[in-house]
Order: sequence, then C-alpha cells, then structure tokens
Amino acid sequence: KAGVTQTPRYLIKTRGQQVTLSCSPISGHRSVSWYQQTPGQGLQFLFEYFSETQRNKGNFPGRFSGRQFSNSRSEMNVSTLELGDSALYLCASASGGATYEQYFGPGTRLTVT
Amino acid sequence: QKEVEQNSGPLSVPEGAIASLNCTYSDRGSQSFFWYRQYSGKSPELIMSIYSNGDKEDGRFTAQLNKASQYVSLLIRDSQPSDSATYLCAVANQAGTALIFGKGTTLSVSS
Repeated sequence: KAGVTQTPRYLIKTRGQQVTLSCSPISGHRSVSWYQQTPGQGLQFLFEYFSETQRNKGNFPGRFSGRQFSNSRSEMNVSTLELGDSALYLCASASGGATYEQYFGPGTRLTVT
Repeated sequence: QKEVEQNSGPLSVPEGAIASLNCTYSDRGSQSFFWYRQYSGKSPELIMSIYSNGDKEDGRFTAQLNKASQYVSLLIRDSQPSDSATYLCAVANQAGTALIFGKGTTLSVSS
C-alpha cells in the first residue's frame, strides 16, 4: 500500500499571505489528522477529520482551518500567516477503527518570512 | 490540560546495551498508547502500540504499560547505532480522535 502523501514538501511564504497544504491518506483510511511540529512546542494536534466531518480540534487560532473530501483527501489552510507559523506540518491517517494507530506523511516544511 | 511527559535526554547507551525510555500521562481514562521513532529531518514512524497492562514484545522492542501508575515505557534490547533517534510517546484521547505527544527523548547509541 502506498503511504501518506503530502504536497508541497517545502513552502516559503511571506507574513500576511495564506497557504493551503494537501494530504492524501493511505488507501482505505477514513481518518486524517493534522499536527504542527516546532522545536519548542513539539508535536501539537491541530484537527481530525473522519468521513468529511471535523471530530476534534486542537487549541489553535481560527486562522487554521481544514476540510476533508469524499475521497478522504484533506487540506488545511492557514490564513494571515505569522512568523510563528513556521513549522513542519504533518498529516497522519488512520483507518478510523478501534486501534487509533496513526501513520504519518513526510510533512510540509513551511517557512514564513 | 491533558499531558504526556518524557525525559528529553539525551539518553546515551553503548551498542548492544538495553535502552529504557519512559513516559507518564495525566488522563486516567486513556486506553491507547503508542511509541513513534523520529529520525532527524524525517516524520514520526509508528514502532509500537499497546492497549493492555503488561508487556508487548516486537523484535528488539518491548513496550510496557501500567495504567494504575499512568506509566508507559519502551525497552530497546541490543541497541544499534541505527536506533539513534528521537522517541515520541503518544496517548490517544478517549474518543480516539487525537494523539497527545510528549516532547520526545533523544537516544544516542555509540558504537
């Protein structure tokens, strides 16, 4: 099975711009989660989608949003970028069953200048 | 605020030794626990999951869970230089809709 894919892998944006990141889960997986990873804060949960519904959201400002499509692919959007949004954004997919095992994609490295 | 705590390390062990990584969590209702390995510049890779009290072995890795003490550990036997990485402990929330991660323990195995 192909793994989780994320595009783009690297991105450089300017403060105030917006950005959209994309994630394709493992075939058959219906749950997609997004995480932000920074050296200071570690891995922090952004939100989780299952069958196009957001089931959980982490403690991030409303500038961070996401959605999931009927084919389970997911996008996350960050509007009005700030310098502090520079991070590795990781997508993880899970089957949505009882084991909750999540498998991560390679991540998108976002740099805000 | 649900928390997962790990010693940041670095934990240094010689090749062939046993590396012991520890993790505590605050949510007494948690049922699902995971260890991820992350090499520098790479994304986390799931190496162990454990759901019941006791030990679970997979090759050189053994995960141990004690729900009463809210404690999870990972033992790596016969440590190899290729095991040098950051090990992340993760705990699922009760609904299974989010993983809460510790900040990771950096392991260095010297040859």
